[in-house]
Amino acid sequence: QEQLVESGGGVVRPGGSLRLSCAASGFALKPYGMHWVRQAPGKGLEWVAFLWRDGVKKDYPDSVNGRFTISKDNYKNTLYLQMDSLRVEDTAIYFCARDVSWYIELWGRGTLVTVSS
Amino acid sequence: EVVMTQSPGTLSVSPGERLTLSCRTSQSVSNSLAWYQQKPGQAPRLLIYGASTRATGIPARFSGSGSETEFTLTVSSLQSEDFAVYYCHQYANWPRTFGQGTKVEFK
Repeated sequence: QEQLVESGGGVVRPGGSLRLSCAASGFALKPYGMHWVRQAPGKGLEWVAFLWRDGVKKDYPDSVNGRFTISKDNYKNTLYLQMDSLRVEDTAIYFCARDVSWYIELWGRGTLVTVSS
Repeated sequence: EVVMTQSPGTLSVSPGERLTLSCRTSQSVSNSLAWYQQKPGQAPRLLIYGASTRATGIPARFSGSGSETEFTLTVSSLQSEDFAVYYCHQYANWPRTFGQGTKVEFK
């Protein structure tokens, strides 16, 4: 069964850092582009990062560009999101998701990140 | 940035009723539009991609239509398990954007 499982969420102070992981099972990450999408408590969905399937090219919205870095380890079959200079407004559930022909096809269950002093 | 506008924000319906949700984009996205269903505490689930193609395993009561800037998700006969929040999502342009969601609640 194809599955994505996120981990690494927690409570962090403003200005701090956190690294999220997303373990893929039932399929190999290598051929796919991968996204991170977040959802603030009680709010809608916001796209935060995309890693092209070459593992090199990356895209971010302005809200996180320069602070977040997406990467993957094909051998560990794991996607990552390094989050630096965190702000209160980054508080959200973070989902990793698989891209197929440019749309998001498969989602993980998410991991909660809380930025609070 | 492509701004997505979903309407209505909340819809109160009864099981068996026909449901029609709207999504408008601030500029043309051709047919690069997907619909997702999200239930409380769960990840979103892909329903429709390419504006009108049902994803694998999605019941035939779900259908999508539209192109360019106006899109519709229709549920022909609402079932109890369909009460959820529905999001549209454009993947024609960067940054990728989502609508704010339409909550479908029990009447």
